Amino acid sequence: DIQMTQSPSSLSASVGDRVTITCRASQSISHSLNWYQQKPGKAPKLLIYAASNLQSGVPSRFSGDLSGTDFTLTISSLQPEDFATYFCQQSDFFPYTFGQGTTLEIK
Amino acid sequence: EVQLVESGGGLVQPGRSLRLSCATSGLTFSYSAMSWVRQAPGKGLEWVSFIGSNTFDGRTEYAASVKGRFTISRDDSKSIAYLQMNSLRTEDSAVYYCVRDYYGGSSHWYFDLWGRGTLVTVSS
Repeated sequence: DIQMTQSPSSLSASVGDRVTITCRASQSISHSLNWYQQKPGKAPKLLIYAASNLQSGVPSRFSGDLSGTDFTLTISSLQPEDFATYFCQQSDFFPYTFGQGTTLEIK
Repeated sequence: EVQLVESGGGLVQPGRSLRLSCATSGLTFSYSAMSWVRQAPGKGLEWVSFIGSNTFDGRTEYAASVKGRFTISRDDSKSIAYLQMNSLRTEDSAVYYCVRDYYGGSSHWYFDLWGRGTLVTVSS
């Protein structure tokens, strides 16, 4: 199975900050990497698909990229509603696998 | 409005069975691949099972942790996906989400639609 290593596991930041979350796959997954946001008690929501494509309706402050073997999710200017948990997920091979999650907290 | 609504969760004893249903509306179900994703309390996300559209290959896939115990199926006439869960274990306790597994081209798949989830608790 492909292991997805996500870092950091938690992050404290302030409104207006720029933050980056990283996800690394244990083997090549091309660009088949998706990012989800989950708020407490809610279902996850798709933010970014295929590494860098913004899902319809998602604010443009969210972006995804691939640099070498590291996939990144960047929020350019944190808003109060962005404090949540973020998960990466590879969809190149079954079994699909998720990163362990990054909880973004208010500093 | 697109909706995915799970049902069938509840409290069940170890070794027993449950069948989850995912009723959909507002999407072309017969052309949609579907998956189930679960989340144990306070834990991360775990993909459980996939079923392709019958208009393509209708293939099924399972996580190793449930293979041989869980069966995914679909009824295109009712726009419902199912997850039959047998021989349940305490570690199967989780919120189970029904998701549409969307093919965006160029071999890219992603979960673009999610239900609200149904809680399964396996306990004696």
